[in-house]
Amino acid sequence: DVVLTQSPLSLSVTLGQPASISCRSSQGLVYRDGNTYLNWFQQRPGQSPRRLIYAVSRRDSGVPDRFSGSGSGTDFTLRISRVEAEDVGVYYCMQDTHWPPWTFGQGTKVEIK
Amino acid sequence: EVYLVESGGGLVQSGGSLRLSCTASGFTFRNYWMGWVRQAPGKGLEWVANMNQDGSERHYADSVKGRFAISRDNAGDSVYLQMNGLRAEDTAMYYCARSKGLEYWGQGTLVTVS
Repeated sequence: DVVLTQSPLSLSVTLGQPASISCRSSQGLVYRDGNTYLNWFQQRPGQSPRRLIYAVSRRDSGVPDRFSGSGSGTDFTLRISRVEAEDVGVYYCMQDTHWPPWTFGQGTKVEIK
Repeated sequence: EVYLVESGGGLVQSGGSLRLSCTASGFTFRNYWMGWVRQAPGKGLEWVANMNQDGSERHYADSVKGRFAISRDNAGDSVYLQMNGLRAEDTAMYYCARSKGLEYWGQGTLVTVS
């Protein structure tokens, strides 16, 4: 099974400052079709998860452009260019390249300093 | 707009059964993989099961294999999760999600096993 390791597990950020979350995979995530199926989800307090980024760097509809994804192979990053109050929550990476099972990272809690 | 609405959760004794339902709207249901993801209280996300468009492929997490069964009704735009042999560690919020990439999620239904 693919293990996804996120770091840090907790992040305290000043409003308007950038934030970055790393997701490392135990194996490469390039699928046989050449695509890399690494996704990022946001879960605000008391809400369902919401997908922000799919295929490493593609933003889902309605996701603010301050969110961006990057990476390749086994190392991936979610960046928030300027953190806003509504960005508080837990962020998860997830892979759907090598399945089953579909696997998630442990989650990174983002709070405002 | 895509909507996924789960139901069927509740309190059940250890060893008991529950059947969760998820009704979809806003898209052509029969064209998509559907699945279930759960979240134990205060914990992270855990993929549980999913299935392809016609039900010919079904996959389960090792933690539920042999106890849970996923099914779907394309005429009724619904996906189900039959849960048997429930254990305390199955206590969680259960979310229905669309596609292998989990692009849309429902609001969840809470299952508590005592």
